Parts: sequence; structure tokens; C-alpha cells
Amino acid sequence: GAVVSQHPSWVICKSGTSVKIECRSLDFQATTMFWYRQFPKQSLMLMATSNEGSKATYEQGVEKDKFLINHASLTLSTLTVTSAHPEDSSFYICSASLGGGPQETQYFGPGTRLLVL
Amino acid sequence: SQQGEEDPQALSIQEGENATMNCSYKTSINNLQWYRQNSGRGLVHLILIRSNEREKHSGRLRVTLDTSKKSSSLLITASRAADTASYFCATAGSNDYKLSFGAGTTVTVRA
Repeated sequence: GAVVSQHPSWVICKSGTSVKIECRSLDFQATTMFWYRQFPKQSLMLMATSNEGSKATYEQGVEKDKFLINHASLTLSTLTVTSAHPEDSSFYICSASLGGGPQETQYFGPGTRLLVL
Repeated sequence: SQQGEEDPQALSIQEGENATMNCSYKTSINNLQWYRQNSGRGLVHLILIRSNEREKHSGRLRVTLDTSKKSSSLLITASRAADTASYFCATAGSNDYKLSFGAGTTVTVRA
């Protein structure tokens, strides 16, 4: 089956620093990757959609200058949380799909837990 | 925006019993999907049901979809301790590919 990995799985950082999270599709090429954020005991909220080689599309209320997304290849997308603050502490999950259409299954990564002190 | 609402929020059952959870949504969909999430982990895709389907089975899972009521149910039969997890429904719209997740149902299966 399709496997998506994320790195790192855990990160603790000081307030004001930037953190980069990688999302990789290991055995398939992902035209589209999605970034979600999940707060404790809550559902997943879509942050942005990224297509290889083009700018990411951000959901309403998500600051694109704060959450920088780069989708440089068909197997790698990165999310950089710039100048992280304690309120950015959350569980960040990426997913990847082959085609990005509504019929396509999204394959989810294991998530990255970010704690900002 | 979050479209699905799930019911109940939490469910505790004995091993061997069946677990049923429901999901309601608001707008027209292309398909509805169910995912499982173990504590602190990523999501595992369980089953996808298209808008023109009414029922689908996969192992011990049975999913129904009623587009007239904009609702779906997930039934887990003969539950096991390993089924303890949070279960989320997610809808894919007719015109776009984004998934909108429900709030989730936390299922605890007691041995």
C-alpha cells in the first residue's frame, strides 16, 4: 500500500524559532499533498493544499506567511512554521494523493507533534 | 470548514459487542470516507463509499450512506480491544478534492 512518512515525529522548540516538517510519499508520486492541524481531542482541520511545482492554496484563516509550504517534487512537501509561538503547538498531519481528485484516497502520514515552549 | 458531525462523541463497549457510530453532513458530496486514528498517531483509511452507493462492507466493517438524509453510519461487528481508537468520517465534495472531517467518535473496547 501507499506509504507516507513525516519527519520529525516530535519536535520541541523555543518560541520564536522556525520549524520545518517534511512529508514524503515513499512508494508513489503524489500530485497533491495536504497539510492538516489537529488540536487535542479535536478533528483534523485542513490548513493548505499543495500541488507539485505551484504555490499552495491556503484555507481561510491560515496565515500563508506563517506556515510556508513547499512542494518541490512529486514525493516531498515541507511545512515550515515560522517564528513559532506556544499557540502553534499542535499535531500536524500531512496526506498525499495520486491525483488530487475527489475519488482519490488520501494516504496520511503518522503526524508530527510540535511543542513550542 | 468542518462539515461532518459525529454521534456519539464517545462509546464504550465490551469486547465482542458491535459498535455503531453515525456521521451527518451538510452539503452534497462525491464520496464519504471513514478513518481510524489510534491515540497520537496518523489516520488509517478504512473505507470509501461513493454517493451512488448505499452500503459497503470490508471485513468486520459495514458502512451505510443515506444521501437523502445526508448521513452515514459505521458498524464494527464483533469488536476487539485493538479496535479502540477514534473514528472520523470525512466527506469529499462534488466539485473539489478536499476532505472535510467530522469531530470523531472515540471508541473504547473493554476486554
